[in-house]
Amino acid sequence: DAKTTQPPSMDCAEGRAANLPCNHSTISGNEYVYWYRQIHSQGPQYIIHGLKNNETNEMASLIITEDRKSSTLILPHATLRDTAVYYCIVRAYGQNFVFGPGTRLSVLP
Amino acid sequence: DTGVSQDPRHKITKRGQNVTFRCDPISEHNRLYWYRQTLGQGPEFLTYFQNEAQLEKSRLLSDRFSAERPKGSFSTLEIQRTEQGDSAMYLCASSLATEQETQYFGPGTRLLVL
Repeated sequence: DAKTTQPPSMDCAEGRAANLPCNHSTISGNEYVYWYRQIHSQGPQYIIHGLKNNETNEMASLIITEDRKSSTLILPHATLRDTAVYYCIVRAYGQNFVFGPGTRLSVLP
Repeated sequence: DTGVSQDPRHKITKRGQNVTFRCDPISEHNRLYWYRQTLGQGPEFLTYFQNEAQLEKSRLLSDRFSAERPKGSFSTLEIQRTEQGDSAMYLCASSLATEQETQYFGPGTRLLVL
């Protein structure tokens, strides 16, 4: 079973920031938080990952709370092409990636 | 394009037939994974290879399923005597075996068993 909990769906207005939450209250100290997304009929796409510190790349920012029990993926200026299912996964070295049902993000014009 | 590729992208077969899918990973990646995804669900792990060795198989992988990675490069996934319940998207991913392992996925093969 997935070790994370995500809302099943969210809407976001085009051009606004999309903030996708993830709860991982049982995360262990050696587990990383990964985010992937899957656009309809395509394979999952890696977005970002982190351990303790906040991370940013060209796609998104990852904010991890100090107790590491939750995180937020931020898409700073959502576009229609960001409409997808977003998966939050926690994983330590040697463990498999376990995908839950994710959050279906709809970016609205 | 140096990403993960899969072939075919779509396959329609009749129940009872055998099918084989191919995955070509990113060239320097030593790990290769197979997943299955049904409608509305996230991908489910089936099996993975490190180089040519198959290191883990999920209980989802019945005896009708077999995977190979003979030279540690491309991999094949064969399903024998297909059943309608095998209809799904079959995804391949590759990675480097590091602590911060990141898997990169191919576009998938969508299988429909009639």
